[in-house]
Amino acid sequence: DAGVTQSPTHLIKTRGQQVTLRCSPISGHKSVSWYQQVLGQGPQFIFQYYEKEERGRGNFPDRFSARQFPNYSSELNVNALLLGDSALYLCASSTGRSSYEQYFGPGTRLTVT
Amino acid sequence: GEDVEQSLFLSVREGDSSVINCTYTDSSSTYLYWYKQEPGAGLQLLTYIFSNMDMKQDQRLTVLLNKKDKHLSLRIADTQTGDSAIYFCAESAGNFNKFYFGSGTKLNVKP
Repeated sequence: DAGVTQSPTHLIKTRGQQVTLRCSPISGHKSVSWYQQVLGQGPQFIFQYYEKEERGRGNFPDRFSARQFPNYSSELNVNALLLGDSALYLCASSTGRSSYEQYFGPGTRLTVT
Repeated sequence: GEDVEQSLFLSVREGDSSVINCTYTDSSSTYLYWYKQEPGAGLQLLTYIFSNMDMKQDQRLTVLLNKKDKHLSLRIADTQTGDSAIYFCAESAGNFNKFYFGSGTKLNVKP
């Protein structure tokens, strides 16, 4: 079975631009969570979506938004990019809202110049 | 309860045992996890332990949990060069999949 997939793999944007990152969960998984991993640090929780609704939000500004589609795939949008948004963005999927096993994708490396 | 701390580096020789330590602050943590991250890759779930357990063994991996001291450790027996990676400790609490991660321990295995 395919694992969590994310696209694109790498992305370079300039300050002020907007970006959309995509994630497809493991087949049968209904929950998707997004994390930001800045170089040298552990991942930080951004959002969780379950059954197309936001179920949790981390301490990130409103420039960050996400949505989940009927097929459980998800998009993360970041507006008005700042240099500090440069990071690896990880998507994780799990079977349900409170599942204790999360499986991560390979991530999207975003560089903001 | 969002502070998860780990030492930054660990260096061992191939064939030795590695012990990676982690401390956390949230006493309501339900599950505690160990993830492995290789260069340029995402996170691989290695193992996890429920908070009412003291120990869990899975092949070369042994997880020890001291709930009183809020201390978690991962022991890797017979460490191989392929085990070189960054290891993250994480905790989850509450009723959704919000994980809190430490900053990671970089394990270097010397041949």
